[in-house]
Amino acid sequence: AQKVTQAQTEISVVEKEDVTLDCVYETRDTTYYLFWYKQPPSGELVFLIRRNSFDEQNEISGRYSWNFQKSTSSFNFTITASQVVDSAVYFCALSGPNNAGNMLTFGGGTRLMVKP
Amino acid sequence: DTGVSQDPRHKITKRGQNVTFRCDPISEHNRLYWYRQTLGQGPEFLTYFQNEAQLEKSRLLSDRFSAERPKGSFSTLEIQRTEQGDSAMYLCASSFSQAPLHFGNGTRLTVT
Repeated sequence: AQKVTQAQTEISVVEKEDVTLDCVYETRDTTYYLFWYKQPPSGELVFLIRRNSFDEQNEISGRYSWNFQKSTSSFNFTITASQVVDSAVYFCALSGPNNAGNMLTFGGGTRLMVKP
Repeated sequence: DTGVSQDPRHKITKRGQNVTFRCDPISEHNRLYWYRQTLGQGPEFLTYFQNEAQLEKSRLLSDRFSAERPKGSFSTLEIQRTEQGDSAMYLCASSFSQAPLHFGNGTRLTVT
């Protein structure tokens, strides 16, 4: 069985602070995929990143960066210099090898509030 | 590309009634997914189609739930004899083959 745990249910920061959202996963698959999605107040889930289990390189995209560590089964997400527009619920998700991973197991989400 | 469209946005129904939701995926996407999201939780996978074939169904999809994608384009999700526990946001998503999912805004169901 697969499981994703996002221990931080809510985080509040002041604009321009850096913030890291934690994600820990469990799976028996040797091939799997990890995702992060953003859900703003409008409700539509927005894809941010997908990584496969064989690629442990960290990734940076603008103010966003991701740290994947198989040794600790973690896939953490850092926002640098946070902005008010980053306020949303962020979900980490996991899938197995079938279908290249669009049958996702989501974590419970972390609500990020960025205050001006 | 107008994105994934879901209708209605909100539905309020009385327990025991049947409801049907519609999803129009992005036109060139061959895969269509249904997820359910209850308040304060992450989405849960329900089922998915590749073209018109329903290839996977979650154990969450009881026999009161049925999904169709008759021509490999739009899809419908019907819930028969609704129960209060069915109250949730029903999310549709689509993808072209194994590309990442594009989600719609969802249909919020409230069963009174």
